[in-house]
Amino acid sequence: KAGVTQTPRYLIKTRGQQVTLSCSPISGHRSVSWYQQTPGQGLQFLFEYFSETQRNKGNFPGRFSGRQFSNSRSEMNVSTLELGDSALYLCASSLGSSQETQYFGPGTRLLVL
Amino acid sequence: SQQGEEDPQALSIQEGENATMNCSYKTSINNLQWYRQNSGRGLVHLILIRSNEREKHSGRLRVTLDTSKKSSSLLITASRAADTASYFCATGYGAQKLVFGQGTRLTINP
Repeated sequence: KAGVTQTPRYLIKTRGQQVTLSCSPISGHRSVSWYQQTPGQGLQFLFEYFSETQRNKGNFPGRFSGRQFSNSRSEMNVSTLELGDSALYLCASSLGSSQETQYFGPGTRLLVL
Repeated sequence: SQQGEEDPQALSIQEGENATMNCSYKTSINNLQWYRQNSGRGLVHLILIRSNEREKHSGRLRVTLDTSKKSSSLLITASRAADTASYFCATGYGAQKLVFGQGTRLTINP
């Protein structure tokens, strides 16, 4: 089976712009979770989608949003980018429960200038 | 905070030695998982241990869970240079919540 894929792998944006990141889970996986990783804050949970519905949400401002499509692929969007949004954004998929083994993608490294 | 806390934050040992990392958490959990992350890449799942289990093994990895002390440990035996990475514990609790700790940076010196 193909692993979790994320596109793009690298991205450079300027403050105020918006960005959309994409994640394709492992075939058959219905849960997709997104994480932000920074040196200062570590790995922080953004949100989780299951069967096109947001099932859990972390403590991030409304500028961070996401969605999941019927084929389980997921996108996350960040609007009005800030310098502090520079981070590695990781997507993970699991069969059903988010507490099962998470399979991570390679991440998208976002740099906001 | 429910977040698991790893200890130590950083660990440097010689190749061939054993490495032990600990994770503590604050409230009851459903399970606890350990992940490895090589520099700047995605996380790789190592072991999942459920709340009713006390010990699990996978190759050179041994994980213990003590729910009375709300702690877990990850032991890597006969370490290799390739084990150099960051190791994270993740606690599953409540309904569909999974929280990662800050991680332990392990360096294996040749």
